[in-house]
Amino acid sequence: DIQMTQSPSSLSASVGDRVTITCRASQSIDNYLNWYQQKPGKAPKLLIYAASSLQSGVPSRFSGSGSGTDFTLTISSLQPEDFATYYCQQSYVTPFTFGQGTRLEIK
Amino acid sequence: QVQLVQSGAEVKKPGASVKISCKASGYTFTSFYLHWVRQAPGQGLEWMGTINPSGGSTGYAQKFQGRVTMTRDTSTSTVYMELSSLRSEDTAVYYCARVISSGWRRFDYWGQGTLVTVSS
Repeated sequence: DIQMTQSPSSLSASVGDRVTITCRASQSIDNYLNWYQQKPGKAPKLLIYAASSLQSGVPSRFSGSGSGTDFTLTISSLQPEDFATYYCQQSYVTPFTFGQGTRLEIK
Repeated sequence: QVQLVQSGAEVKKPGASVKISCKASGYTFTSFYLHWVRQAPGQGLEWMGTINPSGGSTGYAQKFQGRVTMTRDTSTSTVYMELSSLRSEDTAVYYCARVISSGWRRFDYWGQGTLVTVSS
């Protein structure tokens, strides 16, 4: 199975900050990398697919980059509603696997 | 609008089975695979398997092989996930999510989740 490793596991930031979360795959996954946001008690929400494509309806402050094994999710200017947990996920091959999550907290 | 509506919370005893439903609407049922993902309390997301509503073919994570069965009913646009031989570690929220059958694979719509509690 492909292992997905996110860093950091948690992050404290302030409204307006620029934040970057990284995700590394244990082998090349081309661009089959998706990012999700999850708030407590809610289902995950797709933000970015194919490493850098913005899902319809997602604010443009979210962006993704990378290919192969190394990927990043960037939030250009944090808004209050962005404090949540973020997961990367590879869809290159089943079993689809997720990173362990990055909890983004208010500083 | 696209909706995936799951059945309600369940409480089961160890050793029992649970069957959760996920009813799809707002799109062509056979054009998207349905996947199941679970999340134990305070933990991350774990992929369990998938079903192709078009032909009914399935693929399961090795961890769940022999314990999980995914089926579909095309007449009602509903998929089912049955997990047997339940143990306390299966206590989790179970989600269905759809993935387009061609192109970049991603979970673009999710059900609301179904909490399964396994307790004696």
